[in-house]
Amino acid sequence: DAGVTQSPTHLIKTRGQHVTLRCSPISGHKSVSWYQQVLGQGPQFIFQYYEKEERGRGNFPDRFSARQFPNYSSELNVNALLLGDSALYLCASSQHRDRGGNTIYFGEGSWLTVV
Amino acid sequence: AQSVAQPEDQVNVAEGNPLTVKCTYSVSGNPYLFWYVQYPNRGLQFLLKYITGDNLVKGSYGFEAEFNKSQTSFHLKKPSALVSDSALYFCAVRDNGGVDSSASKIIFGSGTRLSIRP
Repeated sequence: DAGVTQSPTHLIKTRGQHVTLRCSPISGHKSVSWYQQVLGQGPQFIFQYYEKEERGRGNFPDRFSARQFPNYSSELNVNALLLGDSALYLCASSQHRDRGGNTIYFGEGSWLTVV
Repeated sequence: AQSVAQPEDQVNVAEGNPLTVKCTYSVSGNPYLFWYVQYPNRGLQFLLKYITGDNLVKGSYGFEAEFNKSQTSFHLKKPSALVSDSALYFCAVRDNGGVDSSASKIIFGSGTRLSIRP
């Protein structure tokens, strides 16, 4: 079975532009989360979606938005890009929304460079 | 609030020797703890998790972790290190966000770079 897949793998954008990152969860998984990993740091939680509804949001500005589609795939959108948005954006999926020991599986990430 | 700490930025071990990567946690309620590994320019790979039960958890690639409630630690271990184990390791805890939050997110430590010399 395919794991979590993300696209594009690498992209370069200019300050002020908009970017859309895409994610397909593992088959059968209904929960998708997005994380930002800045170089040299651990991943930081951005959003969680479950059954197409936003279930949680991290400490990120309104320039960041996301949505989940009926097939459980997801998009992360970032508007008015800043240099500080340069990071690895990781998508993760899990089978349920539970708060227990449900394992979260990560994709390979999308490397975003803002110049 | 839930948190994890990885006190060592880097751990250096000779191949064939045992290795330990340290992690301490702070949670309210039951701890759900995870270890992930990240190879250069790659995403995160799940290694193992502690939910309940045995304090010694076995995971992928020969890794194991010891849960110690009294010391609030969840150290990652391997009896005999391989050069291919060289990577960045993250300890993480599930943050259930409190009763008013429906989010179920993972909080990561700052990471420990493991370097295995031949």
